[in-house]
Amino acid sequence: DTGVSQNPRHKITKRGQNVTFRCDPISEHNRLYWYRQTLGQGPEFLTYFQNEAQLEKSRLLSDRFSAERPKGSFSTLEIQRTEQGDSAMYLCASSFRLAGGLETQYFGPGTRLLVL
Amino acid sequence: AQSVSQHNHHVILSEAASLELGCNYSYGGTVNLFWYVQYPGQHLQLLLKYFSGDPLVKGIKGFEAEFIKSKFSFNLRKPSVQWSDTAEYFCAVNARGGGADGLTFGKGTHLIIQP
Repeated sequence: DTGVSQNPRHKITKRGQNVTFRCDPISEHNRLYWYRQTLGQGPEFLTYFQNEAQLEKSRLLSDRFSAERPKGSFSTLEIQRTEQGDSAMYLCASSFRLAGGLETQYFGPGTRLLVL
Repeated sequence: AQSVSQHNHHVILSEAASLELGCNYSYGGTVNLFWYVQYPGQHLQLLLKYFSGDPLVKGIKGFEAEFIKSKFSFNLRKPSVQWSDTAEYFCAVNARGGGADGLTFGKGTHLIIQP
């Protein structure tokens, strides 16, 4: 399978614990995006990387959230001191950005987080 | 910042009926427009996209969408729906060249096709 993969697919944690999610993009895609989706809503942008550089962060990304893409390939999203409001589906997408701002993002299956 | 509005949150149709899902966006500059679909138990998949050129774009599975710049709209259409079209449909936009490359999604339309 050459699509975007995410691990784990499901995570249950207790409030206050730290969690880390991993995303493996489509090979050779230079951009990687993180989104959060709650029930009844569309995905909301969190942050993105071009290669290993983090270029943009949403105001939704509180200081408890951190993302990395150390070698420009896979990425991790860590949530520290989880809260019940962090319960959501966390989606990863990757793309290859063309000249002129043209790109298409391809999504992974997501990691569903439940904070008890 | 851009925003996306999808007018219908739930739509129920019978097989063979025609479909039109509304999508309006707000942004003053040039945008890229997308429709994504999420079938039950599956991840988001690209249905179609508009970058430039012919404002009527065709996607997979017989879907098409028309970009009307003056109305800031990008409505999704299908002449005859099938039971397998039951899914959640999301309209999304991002700004081209404006530095806001993350997609802004609408809240989605839950489409149910009755056999």
